[in-house]
Amino acid sequence: QVQLVESGGGVVQSGRSLRLSCAASGFSFSSFGMNWVRQAPGKGLEWVAIISYDGSHEVYGDSVKGRFTISRDNSENILYLQMSSLRPEDSAVYFCAKDTFESGRYPGGFDFWGQGALVTVSS
Amino acid sequence: DVQMTQSPSSVSASVGDRVTLTCRASQDVSAFLVWYQQKPGKAPNLLIYGASRLQAGVPSRFSGRGSGTDFTLTISSLQAEDFASYFCQQTDSFPYTFGQGTILEIK
Repeated sequence: QVQLVESGGGVVQSGRSLRLSCAASGFSFSSFGMNWVRQAPGKGLEWVAIISYDGSHEVYGDSVKGRFTISRDNSENILYLQMSSLRPEDSAVYFCAKDTFESGRYPGGFDFWGQGALVTVSS
Repeated sequence: DVQMTQSPSSVSASVGDRVTLTCRASQDVSAFLVWYQQKPGKAPNLLIYGASRLQAGVPSRFSGRGSGTDFTLTISSLQAEDFASYFCQQTDSFPYTFGQGTILEIK
């Protein structure tokens, strides 16, 4: 079965960096685009970034552009989110999420999500 | 960026009721509209994609309609497990954007 397991969350000071990982299993990882979505405590969902199935394209949300980098290792089935210049407003649960359709052939949302990794940025 | 607005922000209903939630986009997103259900402490669960296409494994009491800027999610007969938060998301253009959510509570 599909599994997505995030790791790397924690407490970090404002201005510092942190890297999240998402280990994928149970599907052909290299065939699907992957996303990061975050949710501040008690708030709604915010899409953060997407990377294409082959890693050739990345797109970022406005609030993280220039500070966060999404990447993937298709040989190890791992998705990453490198977060730099962190701010208190980046504090949230970060979910990795799999595109519903392979190779980006249809933007059908995200059909599988990890359990989330909590990131807390202290000022 | 496309702004997504959901209404109401919360609604109370009873088991067996029919409920309709609304999502409006600030510009035309065609039928690239997705609905998720989220329960406290859990990841979202995909219900509907392409505005009206039921995701595999989702009960048929859930249905979606709309295109362009106005969309609805209807639950035909509420079950106890349906009380949760619901989010819409447009996937027409980057950055993908979510609505602020509707909380469906037990009356």
